Amino acid sequence: ELKVEQNPLFLSMQEGKNYTIYCNYSTTSDRLYWYRQDPGKSLESLFVLLSNGAVKQEGRLMASLDTKARLSTLHITAAVHDLSATYFCAVNNNNDMRFGAGTRLTVKP
Amino acid sequence: DAGVIQSPRHEVTEMGQEVTLRCKPISGHDYLFWYRQTMMRGLELLIYFNNNVPIDDSGMPEDRFSAKMPNASFSTLKIQPSEPRDSAVYFCASRRAGNYNEQFFGPGTRLTVL
Repeated sequence: ELKVEQNPLFLSMQEGKNYTIYCNYSTTSDRLYWYRQDPGKSLESLFVLLSNGAVKQEGRLMASLDTKARLSTLHITAAVHDLSATYFCAVNNNNDMRFGAGTRLTVKP
Repeated sequence: DAGVIQSPRHEVTEMGQEVTLRCKPISGHDYLFWYRQTMMRGLELLIYFNNNVPIDDSGMPEDRFSAKMPNASFSTLKIQPSEPRDSAVYFCASRRAGNYNEQFFGPGTRLTVL
């Protein structure tokens, strides 16, 4: 059974700092997704990573995928308060997806 | 272009009552997914449909839960009878076949069973 693990589960950081969220998964998969969820809101797609070595960047967020290590990272550069949210990674599992538990990020001034 | 539409957005009911949640996927999407999100268990896939046919319902917690998709633009998730432990946010998501399997989520239905 495909398992997806994220760490850390909770992350409190100061504005302007950098940090990385990790997503490990247990079986081979060629697609990995990152979503953002604001409190009380739905999930918003951030990145779709389709191949080994894929890197995508949007603003202060950069996601990468290493399919050999079964690892994806979401790097936050110079965090700002607006990035406070819960971030989920999800791994393609045939026709559906398996989600990690989420990383609740709080950016403090 | 309208996204995934869910109704109601909030539902409060008493234990033992029947609850029906509704979802309209994005037009042209072939797959529809129902998820449940709780603090304890996170985001769980309950069931998904492809071309209106249920493909995998292994995530449906028990016989009290049922889901249907009578046509390409409408799906329901029914709980009968409801129990307090069913309280959660229920999300519907859809995607197009071959679109990198990227799913688009609806706003969710927050269900409270008293």
